[in-house]
Amino acid sequence: AQTVTQSQPEMSVQEAETVTLSCTYDTSESDYYLFWYKQPPSRQMILVIRQEAYKQQNATENRFSVNFQKAAKSFSLKISDSQLGDAAMYFCAYTRRDDKIIFGKGTRLHILP
Amino acid sequence: SAVISQKPSRDICQRGTSLTIQCQVDSQVTMMFWYRQQPGQSLTLIATANQGSEATYESGFVIDKFPISRPNLTFSTLTVSNMSPEDSSIYLCSAIGRFYEQYFGPGTRLTVT
Repeated sequence: AQTVTQSQPEMSVQEAETVTLSCTYDTSESDYYLFWYKQPPSRQMILVIRQEAYKQQNATENRFSVNFQKAAKSFSLKISDSQLGDAAMYFCAYTRRDDKIIFGKGTRLHILP
Repeated sequence: SAVISQKPSRDICQRGTSLTIQCQVDSQVTMMFWYRQQPGQSLTLIATANQGSEATYESGFVIDKFPISRPNLTFSTLTVSNMSPEDSSIYLCSAIGRFYEQYFGPGTRLTVT
């Protein structure tokens, strides 16, 4: 069975600094998709970034980038120039095509002014 | 990306009653999902709702307690039946996107007294 593990329940970062959130997953599939979702206190789940497993190039969306290591089954999220609005719960997630998403337990990120 | 709305946004209900949550997507989607989330925790999948077929329930969730309708490709409802205080939670719906990501509604906060 596929699993997603986020080993950091909480993290803090100074405003304007860079922070990396860790995620590992377990699967025997070769074709799958990985995501990072952000859930601020408003509770709206927001898709931050998406990575297709067949792509070697790491995905980037503005200040958000991933380090995708397929062999190691690792999928970390780097947030550069952290802003107060980045404070949220971040969920790493895995799916195969047209299948349910498996979420990690989440990492709560605090931004220190 | 899909825009998803949910109604109601919150409700307080008495035990033994039922509540139906509506989920509307602004475009046609194949798969929709219903989740439950306790504050500060990850999402728990209740069921997958496909248009034209019975919903597929996850372990621990049954149709008698959480009946789901999916009358067309843009709409779904989840009913929480015979409620008890243990059903107090946030309920979210989502729809699968073009690249297998999921887009989420804003959630329904349910309190059962």
